[in-house]
Amino acid sequence: NAGVTQTPKFRILKIGQSMTLQCTQDMNHNYMYWYRQDPGMGLKLIYYSVGAGITDKGEVPNGYNVSRSTTEDFPLRLELAAPSQTSVYFCASSGRGNEQFFGPGTRLTVL
Amino acid sequence: AQTVTQSQPEMSVQEAETVTLSCTYDTSESDYYLFWYKQPPSRQMILVIRQEAYKQQNATENRFSVNFQKAAKSFSLKISDSQLGDAAMYFCAYRRGSNFGNEKLTFGTGTRLTIIP
Repeated sequence: NAGVTQTPKFRILKIGQSMTLQCTQDMNHNYMYWYRQDPGMGLKLIYYSVGAGITDKGEVPNGYNVSRSTTEDFPLRLELAAPSQTSVYFCASSGRGNEQFFGPGTRLTVL
Repeated sequence: AQTVTQSQPEMSVQEAETVTLSCTYDTSESDYYLFWYKQPPSRQMILVIRQEAYKQQNATENRFSVNFQKAAKSFSLKISDSQLGDAAMYFCAYRRGSNFGNEKLTFGTGTRLTIIP
């Protein structure tokens, strides 16, 4: 099993551009999450999903959108990128247990 | 709202020695879970150890153990026989108990651990 995979690993955007961060898990987990990690800080929840077709906001959802059309995929969309969205983005998933499994992260820079 | 506080931004320890990382949390819930995650330079988040609040016994995983003081809302991580590979950022995290697995993790700001050869 690959676990949780994220693409791309790195990306530089210009202010106002849009992009989608991809996240896929092969563990048949119902629950998926997007976090962001700012320099020197812990992770903060952006959005989460409890199953296909169901998503909800986390702590810091402004400027982002998500969708969950399949169990495996949970893409994060950035519309009109801003410098404040420069961060490392982590996708995670969990099953009925309590452990969240994390992807390797995407480092995004908005200039 | 739940908060997690790690008051030690940086710690260092001699190789083979023991180090303790501190974490305190604030919650009004009675059912919750606590975690320590390790983040090496590769950025990968790796679960080190977890503790269920209803369990009085402190969790241990090989060289890693916790001191869980529920009344004091304290959850420290002890690393014994420190190794060079233990160098990383360590994050304490809280999760409300749930049967549905959809509860978010609330993270502290992390402690950077350096191992001195």
